[in-house]
Amino acid sequence: GESVGLHLPTLSVQEGDNSIINCAYSNSASDYFIWYKQESGKGPQFIIDIRSNMDKRQGQRVTVLLNKTVKHLSLQIAATQPGDSAVYFCAENAEGQNFVFGPGTRLSVLP
Amino acid sequence: DTEVTQTPKHLVMGMTNKKSLKCEQHMGHRAMYWYKQKAKKPPELMFVYSYEKLSINESVPSRFSPECPNSSLLNLHLHALQPEDSALYLCASSQAMKGVGSNQPQHFGDGTRLSIL
Repeated sequence: GESVGLHLPTLSVQEGDNSIINCAYSNSASDYFIWYKQESGKGPQFIIDIRSNMDKRQGQRVTVLLNKTVKHLSLQIAATQPGDSAVYFCAENAEGQNFVFGPGTRLSVLP
Repeated sequence: DTEVTQTPKHLVMGMTNKKSLKCEQHMGHRAMYWYKQKAKKPPELMFVYSYEKLSINESVPSRFSPECPNSSLLNLHLHALQPEDSALYLCASSQAMKGVGSNQPQHFGDGTRLSIL
């Protein structure tokens, strides 16, 4: 079946730097995408979403970029903080179908 | 704190035991989900309820039995589980749109950590 994948399974960044987490998807029918953050011992926490009629959406310190041409999604975190350390999952959804989660990227913030 | 509450947080059971996992949400969501998550893996969908009716069963073994008593509650009954069923079980909810779970964010609880002896 179709799946969502990530280029980097782990990412280490210095505190204060910007982080970019990438996600590739293969279902051309997907029209809704979510980034989740999962901290140790907790469930996935919604960070930001984007629909396919947009190519960029900004939240507080986070930006999601969607490139439908190459089926690529990214999450940018500005001024990364220790509290940002977690596993980040992208998830894609096509109408009438279930969400498909990517394999996840572990973000480690170095002091 | 999450708006989806799951109990218990931890559960250890033998292979012959019967136990239940519980999930509650008061956001008025009409779609509720059970996921299974193994260590270092993404969540895997097990069941979807839409308007209190089971709409999706992702070929889950019958030793897992879901139940949706009302629009706020979701249970997962467990019986005769195997050691490989040890995992984090996550409940989620979303506004139900036409087409199950379509294009609405899912809100997750913090899960029940299940260990099968």
